[in-house]
Amino acid sequence: EIVMTQSPASLSVSPGEIATLSCRASQNVGSNLAWYQQRPGQAPRLLIHGASTRATGVPARFSGSGSGTEFTLTISSLQSEDFALYYCQQYSKWPPWTFGQGTRVEIK
Amino acid sequence: QVQLLESGPGLVKPSETLSLTCTISGGAISSYYWTWIRQSPGKGLEWIGYINHSGSTSDNPSLMNRVTMSIDTSKNQFSLKLRSVTAADTALYFCARGRGASGYYFDFWGQGSPVSVSS
Repeated sequence: EIVMTQSPASLSVSPGEIATLSCRASQNVGSNLAWYQQRPGQAPRLLIHGASTRATGVPARFSGSGSGTEFTLTISSLQSEDFALYYCQQYSKWPPWTFGQGTRVEIK
Repeated sequence: QVQLLESGPGLVKPSETLSLTCTISGGAISSYYWTWIRQSPGKGLEWIGYINHSGSTSDNPSLMNRVTMSIDTSKNQFSLKLRSVTAADTALYFCARGRGASGYYFDFWGQGSPVSVSS
């Protein structure tokens, strides 16, 4: 099973600033990496797939990068609605598909 | 817009079977992997398994062959049964649509159905 490790566990950022979230895979997953946002009381929402392709309707301030074992989600100019939990997920090797434990982005 | 809605009992007794159904609206049922994912404080997001429109399935080995999934294309529904539940199966259960080529990610999710295992 591929283990996904996200860092940091939580991140305090001021509105308008940049947030950089990291995700590391225990094995090479190529570009088979997705990012999700989960707001309180809601289901996860797909942000990025293929490591860097924004899902339909996702604002351009969200960008993904990386390949292999190291990935980054960058949120430029944080808006109030961006304060949430973020998860990465590998879909390279299964079963099972695996998720990271999440990074919480909090208001500073 | 694709919408998914989970339904089922919120309370299951230990050793019994958890049963959930997901109703799909607003999209085709073919060409996708209809998936169950659960979320608990202790284990985060955990992929349970998928079923496709033809009934092919795959599930997480960690669930020790306790999973059965079925699909009813005429009703646009798919279902999950998890046998011999314990307190460790207490979680928020999501259904989701999986898409991709060799592997897949999840582009639409239900709102989640909380399930508690308790006597």
